[in-house]
Amino acid sequence: DVKVTQSSRYLVKRTGEKVFLECVQDMDHENMFWYRQDPGLGLRLIYFSYDVKMKEKGDIPEGYSVSREKKERFSLILESASTNQTSMYLCASSPGQGDEQYFGPGTRLTVT
Amino acid sequence: GENVEQHPSTLSVQEGDSAVIKCTYSDSASNYFPWYKQELGKGPQLIIDIRSNVGEKKDQRIAVTLNKTAKHFSLHITETQPEDSAVYFCAANEGTYKYIFGTGTRLKVLA
Repeated sequence: DVKVTQSSRYLVKRTGEKVFLECVQDMDHENMFWYRQDPGLGLRLIYFSYDVKMKEKGDIPEGYSVSREKKERFSLILESASTNQTSMYLCASSPGQGDEQYFGPGTRLTVT
Repeated sequence: GENVEQHPSTLSVQEGDSAVIKCTYSDSASNYFPWYKQELGKGPQLIIDIRSNVGEKKDQRIAVTLNKTAKHFSLHITETQPEDSAVYFCAANEGTYKYIFGTGTRLKVLA
């Protein structure tokens, strides 16, 4: 079975802190994605990567950056956390173009 | 870009009844339409998908229909069971890699 793991299930950070969210997939998938999930807004794409060291902005990239140094790992970085970044963050991976996305369990981030 | 609208936002049905969730999309170039189920405390999981060259697809108690002309697709769950209670998301592809998700439907199956 495909497994996508995220480094933390719950995280509490203070405003202004630098935050790292880590995601690892074990199925050699080419593509990886970061979404945030908010009530009434569904899943919104922050960034995605279709290859190592490659990244593309999604629909809401402001305030975030990403890093993909190895194929299996995709990191989301909040350079200076703000309260409006309190949310559920979901990582996903997919084998190729137009394929099913496999999601991790999510990280619920609270910024106070 | 692609826009996906999903209705209803909440749906309550009696156990054994059917449930229908509807989505519309805006980009006629979209050709892949997955449905995801998210249970409490878990990430979304694909339950069924359909591509634009097919009008209907079934998998046991779930089915998806696609009307390309009207740009809408629907999820049908028959003989609902308590374990069907979850949040369901529709999505449509935008370009090669991106999916645009609907806002979700919280389904409650009442025993």
